[in-house]
Amino acid sequence: NAGVMQNPRHLVRRRGQEARLRCSPMKGHSHVYWYRQLPEEGLKFMVYLQKENIIDESGMPKERFSAEFPKEGPSILRIQQVVRGDSAAYFCASSWKGGQSSYEQYFGPGTRLTVT
Amino acid sequence: AQSVTQPDIHITVSEGASLELRCNYSYGATPYLFWYVQSPGQGLQLLLKYFSGDTLVQGIKGFEAEFKRSQSSFNLRKPSVHWSDAAEYFCAASNTNAGKSTFGDGTTLTVKP
Repeated sequence: NAGVMQNPRHLVRRRGQEARLRCSPMKGHSHVYWYRQLPEEGLKFMVYLQKENIIDESGMPKERFSAEFPKEGPSILRIQQVVRGDSAAYFCASSWKGGQSSYEQYFGPGTRLTVT
Repeated sequence: AQSVTQPDIHITVSEGASLELRCNYSYGATPYLFWYVQSPGQGLQLLLKYFSGDTLVQGIKGFEAEFKRSQSSFNLRKPSVHWSDAAEYFCAASNTNAGKSTFGDGTTLTVKP
């Protein structure tokens, strides 16, 4: 059973370009979470999605950031017009639905975004 | 506001010595609590979790943690540290209303030979 998969692992973008980060949850998991980790800091929650629904986006910046989790395919975190401050590691986590298990999140290896 | 605090940014211990990493939380109700380990350039691996019941929980790699409601703490312990335990450790909490987790800023563990 493959774990949470994220690609690309490393992404370099120039200021003003778009960044697309992909996350495939573990098989059977229907909840996806995105977190951002700035250098020397912990993970900060960005968005929580279920298939075709955004459940909680309280941690998402108001502009330039969007996320989706379509019925088919991976979850996508999209950052438009990137700036240097977007340079960070972006982690995706997934969980199974139902009961306490929905709080046990499995993390992917992360995508390290560098904006030049 | 919900928060998780890890008071120690960096801890150094000798190999074979005991270890305790501190974690305090501030939540409206007792949250679910987790400890993760992150090696450089890697994702997070779950060490252990507390949902309810026995306040002393056992995890992988010989780690354990004790939940103390009166102190709002969930400290991680290991009786004898190995060099391979050098990594960054994160404490996290979730509440019953949403699956998102709040993370502490992490404690970096260095193990001296």
